Parts: sequence; C-alpha cells; structure tokens
Amino acid sequence: QTVVTQEPSFSVSPGGTVTLTCGLSSGSVSTSYYPSWYQQTPGQAPRTLIYSTNTRSSGVPDRFSGSILGNKAALTITGAQADDESDYYCVLYMGSGMVFGGGTKLTVL
Amino acid sequence: QVQLVQSGAEVKKPGASVKVSCKASGYTFTGYYMHWVRQAPGQGLEWMGRINPNSGGTNYAQKFQGRVTMTRDTSISTAYMELSRLRSDDTAVYYCASGYSGYDYGSGYYYYYMDVWGKGTTVTVSS
Repeated sequence: QTVVTQEPSFSVSPGGTVTLTCGLSSGSVSTSYYPSWYQQTPGQAPRTLIYSTNTRSSGVPDRFSGSILGNKAALTITGAQADDESDYYCVLYMGSGMVFGGGTKLTVL
Repeated sequence: QVQLVQSGAEVKKPGASVKVSCKASGYTFTGYYMHWVRQAPGQGLEWMGRINPNSGGTNYAQKFQGRVTMTRDTSISTAYMELSRLRSDDTAVYYCASGYSGYDYGSGYYYYYMDVWGKGTTVTVSS
C-alpha cells in the first residue's frame, strides 16, 4: 500500500522561509492527486490552508503557497511567524479515497 | 456563517457501537460532501470516509470497511458516523468536515478536499 510521506519535523526562524513536502512511498505526486494542506495546533480542529495543489482557502494569508516541486507536493511559508508553529498535514486523493500524510511538526525559533 | 456542530463526548465499552452527529448550518447541506476524519491521542489525522448528503452515496477507507456507516438526515441538515465493534485503539477525536469529493457542477472542475471542520467529538473506548 502506498504511503504518503512528510518530514516528521522542521524548524524555521521567525521571518524565514520554509518548504514542507508531501511525497509517495512509491511514485510521484502530481496535480492529479489534488494535494491539499491543513494546519493544526494542539487541541484544535484542523484548518484548511491549500487545496488543488495551489489554491488558498478563504482567509489564508498569501505567505502560504502550494506547488509541485519535483516529484512531491510542497507547502511554502514565507515570512514565518510565531503562530505558524503547528502541525501541518497534506492529503492526497488516491482514487479510492483520501489519504493523509503523517504530518510535519513545524517549530518557529 | 458556515458551521458544523458535533455531538458531545462519548465513553463506550469494547465491542459496542458509537454514533457521532454533525449538524450543518450556514450553507446548503446537500451541496457539499461530508468527510469524517479521526485522530488518536498523540497521533496524526486519518481519513475514514465521506458521504454525499444529496444522494446518500458513501465511500469508506478500506481500513474501516464493514465497521463504519455514514448516513445523513437532510431534513435536519445532519450527518452521522457510526463505528461498530469498538476497540481500545478506536479511542480518538472524530471530526466531520464539509468539502468536496469529485466533479463540482458549479465550477466545472474536480475538487477533493475538506473545507470547513467541526470542533471534534472525543470517543473513549475503555472497559
């Protein structure tokens, strides 16, 4: 069974730029997987950031952007802020349903 | 505004069933799919499946096939997720999320994502 892979953890300095990725254990991610990205802080429900690879959800600041980089989906945060410290999950549409990646814990320090 | 209000916390014994509700408001309930996602303590998010509130059609993750049933009552704009034969590892927060799962006739594009989320329902399975 194909697994959706994400970096377990990442750190970024305030004001810096970070790119989180979302790959497959077998194969390449393309727009046909309709990658989406979600942000979750402890004890809270997830918040939708990006869908269909690069479309920002309503109210999401433009320092969050999505793309395909090489064979992976990517979420780039430009000008990181302290309240960006969260868990970030990608989701891919796999034909039979949606599959979450394991999530990336982003630290801003 | 768009809102999903979920039912309260549940404590169940192993082998029992639980039914979680998700009441939608602020939008046309039958116009968007309802996804169900769970999160075990300290773990990541896991997609369980989705229901088309208009047709009642469902698509379940293979892991939950045979144990999960998603239904809806359009008269009260409410979706339900029932999980049977509960085990201790079903202890989790269960979220409903309205969104898309296929062709959107309004825009003419395909979408697959969860858009608006409920606050979650904690289900504890313990003897």
